[in-house]
Amino acid sequence: SQQGEEDPQALSIQEGENATMNCSYKTSINNLQWYRQNSGRGLVHLILIRSNEREKHSGRLRVTLDTSKKSSSLLITASRAADTASYFCATAVPTGGGNKLTFGTGTQLKVEL
Amino acid sequence: GAGVSQSPRYKVAKRGQDVALRCDPISGHVSLFWYQQALGQGPEFLTYFQNEAQLDKSGLPSDRFFAERPEGSVSTLKIQRTQQEDSAVYLCASSLDRWDNEQFFGPGTRLTVL
Repeated sequence: SQQGEEDPQALSIQEGENATMNCSYKTSINNLQWYRQNSGRGLVHLILIRSNEREKHSGRLRVTLDTSKKSSSLLITASRAADTASYFCATAVPTGGGNKLTFGTGTQLKVEL
Repeated sequence: GAGVSQSPRYKVAKRGQDVALRCDPISGHVSLFWYQQALGQGPEFLTYFQNEAQLDKSGLPSDRFFAERPEGSVSTLKIQRTQQEDSAVYLCASSLDRWDNEQFFGPGTRLTVL
């Protein structure tokens, strides 16, 4: 079963605009990660935020985490056509000495020229 | 260096056939994961290896699913007596060690059961 849900399910914006995606999850986590998936490059890791962090930046990406609300958001600034993809949040939960990922349902982002 | 590779990339099977899906993780990566992704959904965890030890197989949907990693590198996911509901993309991922949280994914094997 999916750990979380993402909102919106689909988002269409113009190039240069910002895109915000939200993720909610259900259980306690070690960290939360965002991945991008498109047909060309498969599933690619974007950014990781640990449970004791509230905000993190990487290039045009900004991630926030609110563990009290069990939610996270991903902001992509100054979007480009190449950002068109599905975006998934994934929560890392302990298993056998490591961490397994539980993915959300994804947001399909379309960036139009 | 080379990323995670999977083969075959596409597999069509008749219902009832057995299939074997292969994953070559990044060299030296200790942890290996299998996920199943249905159309329009996020990936769902199937099983986890640390070296050759299968430490979590809680996500395997039935006893028709079996995974192994005998030498701690290449892994094979086997599905016996395939059913139509097994149709999905099967993703393999590896990470450097059990503390490394970033997982590197392969391109997946798209399995279609007719």
